Amino acid sequence: GQNIDQPTEMTATEGAIVQINCTYQTSGFNGLFWYQQHAGEAPTFLSYNVLDGLEEKGRFSSFLSRSKGYSYLLLKELQMKDSASYLCAVRDQAGTALIFGKGTTLSVSS
Amino acid sequence: KAGVTQTPRYLIKTRGQQVTLSCSPISGHRSVSWYQQTPGQGLQFLFEYFSETQRNKGNFPGRFSGRQFSNSRSEMNVSTLELGDSALYLCASSEGTAGNTIYFGEGSWLTVV
Repeated sequence: GQNIDQPTEMTATEGAIVQINCTYQTSGFNGLFWYQQHAGEAPTFLSYNVLDGLEEKGRFSSFLSRSKGYSYLLLKELQMKDSASYLCAVRDQAGTALIFGKGTTLSVSS
Repeated sequence: KAGVTQTPRYLIKTRGQQVTLSCSPISGHRSVSWYQQTPGQGLQFLFEYFSETQRNKGNFPGRFSGRQFSNSRSEMNVSTLELGDSALYLCASSEGTAGNTIYFGEGSWLTVV
């Protein structure tokens, strides 16, 4: 079966650092994606990992451990505009479909 | 470079009707995939096309169908609409199976009444 787990909700304060975890159990793996989705809008691509390790892109970093079926998204220097849903998705072995977690709703307060 | 374009953005249909949604991928991208997003189920894969061929299909009834044209534009069709088909339908565009970026369009909001 295919299963991707993320916490449902998280809260943080402006300027802080937050880590959103994602664990997956899928029949195949061809990369892991993180997306940000504001209410009523389309998902926006944040990061992609296919090899183990950390990928850094500005205030956002993403980590992958394939042996543990684990990834996290790290957001630094949080801003109010970072309040959104964060979606973890695994691409299937054939590379034709993304399997999504239910998403983590992050609320940033001042 | 233009992004992924979906039309129409919003539509309201009656139960039993059918609907066609359109997606124009990013120039040069040959893979187009479709997803349904609902509050209860989240984002679920519908199907994927590459060079006019459907390569994968999700677990949806046969009422959901799609196609891709030679210019990579894609359409999806839902026949005999049900109330439960009310959702945000998202189109995603990528270069192929190993691309490191997959971009989504703004989506088509479908309400079935």
